Amino acid sequence: AQKVTQAQTEISVVEKEDVTLDCVYETRDTTYYLFWYKQPPSGELVFLIRRNSFDEQNEISGRYSWNFQKSTSSFNFTITASQVVDSAVYFCALSASSSNTGKLIFGQGTTLQVKP
Amino acid sequence: EAGVAQSPRYKIIEKRQSVAFWCNPISGHATLYWYQQILGQGPKLLIQFQNNGVVDDSQLPKDRFSAERLKGVDSTLKIQPAKLEDSAVYLCASSLGPYLNTGELFFGEGSRLTVL
Repeated sequence: AQKVTQAQTEISVVEKEDVTLDCVYETRDTTYYLFWYKQPPSGELVFLIRRNSFDEQNEISGRYSWNFQKSTSSFNFTITASQVVDSAVYFCALSASSSNTGKLIFGQGTTLQVKP
Repeated sequence: EAGVAQSPRYKIIEKRQSVAFWCNPISGHATLYWYQQILGQGPKLLIQFQNNGVVDDSQLPKDRFSAERLKGVDSTLKIQPAKLEDSAVYLCASSLGPYLNTGELFFGEGSRLTVL
């Protein structure tokens, strides 16, 4: 079975604080892809990053960084110096090769509130 | 480039009534998905089309939900008769191909359904 767990339901921080969103996944596949999406109040899911299971290199994009650790089945997302515009629901998702269709399994999401 | 278009954005109906949602994917995208997002949860795949053929409809409640993608472009998702538990946001997404290692998924803004 494939599963994504985002244990943090809601996080509230003050602007300029760093914040880490946790994601733990389960899959028996050796080839899989992990994703992070942002869902602002408008409702549209915005793609942030895709990682494949063979690339454990951490990635940084501006204020965003991702830590992929296969040993702990985690793919955590850190926002450095958070801003009010970062307020949204963030989803971690998994697509495993055995699904053969590219189907995404989403976690329940973490609501991030950044206060000014 | 135009994104994924969905309509209507909002719909309120009474239980046992019917409703239909429309989606126009990004031009040239062969793969189209319908996801259901219940409040407080991550999106769940209902059905996936490759051109006008169904690839995965394992989680579609076929006794009340139906979907079609005539001519491999636009798609319609229908619910008849609606139940209270169908209240959710229905997200349409598209991608170039069926496998997410070939590209990302682009989502529309969703159609919010309230069943009274």
